[in-house]
Amino acid sequence: ETGVTQTPRHLVMGMTNKKSLKCEQHLGHNAMYWYKQSAKKPLELMFVYSLEERVENNSVPSRFSPECPNSSHLFLHLHTLQPEDSALYLCASSQEMGEAEQYFGPGTRLTVT
Amino acid sequence: KNEVEQSPQNLTAQEGEFITINCSYSVGISALHWLQQHPGGGIVSLFMLSSGKKKHGRLIATINIQEKHSSLHITASHPRDSAVYICAAYNTDKLIFGTGTRLQVFP
Repeated sequence: ETGVTQTPRHLVMGMTNKKSLKCEQHLGHNAMYWYKQSAKKPLELMFVYSLEERVENNSVPSRFSPECPNSSHLFLHLHTLQPEDSALYLCASSQEMGEAEQYFGPGTRLTVT
Repeated sequence: KNEVEQSPQNLTAQEGEFITINCSYSVGISALHWLQQHPGGGIVSLFMLSSGKKKHGRLIATINIQEKHSSLHITASHPRDSAVYICAAYNTDKLIFGTGTRLQVFP
């Protein structure tokens, strides 16, 4: 039981669709993260939120739009994605930003057709 | 070249064997994270350490800051240990991830 949930677990979308990924943490943490994991590549940090403010945007294309309405919820809005965006998208949280143990959700497996 | 390198990339073992996975990094770090990822994607934190050694059950993690090297050991390996093991280094408040070591333990 990680305390971090993600929905949906699997998503198939066309390049013209708009969809959203949801992450919820039940750990009382103040920092939340979006990561992308592509095949054969290390995890890539996409966005970091600390106390609901975005503190990191790691050169992510604008077709990915994060939203953090409160410290427990994090969304990733997807719009006009490309097939190369197909990957596992992982959400994580930590007590504070920085050197703190991160707890990961199960991920959303995204396929863009 | 990745700033965090793991070896081996793939590892197979028979049940009961002692396993060692290595992680080397080329940047200054404040701490190192060992993570386990099972098929299906979920990632579990195993250890976070900045010096010495930590033990949890059959898992042992060590780090040598001077040599910029960490190891994860599994004693008496079991098929349920089959997973991808990822090391990640904290550098200026960011985690830099290795590409992972895929471990398969056969009965």
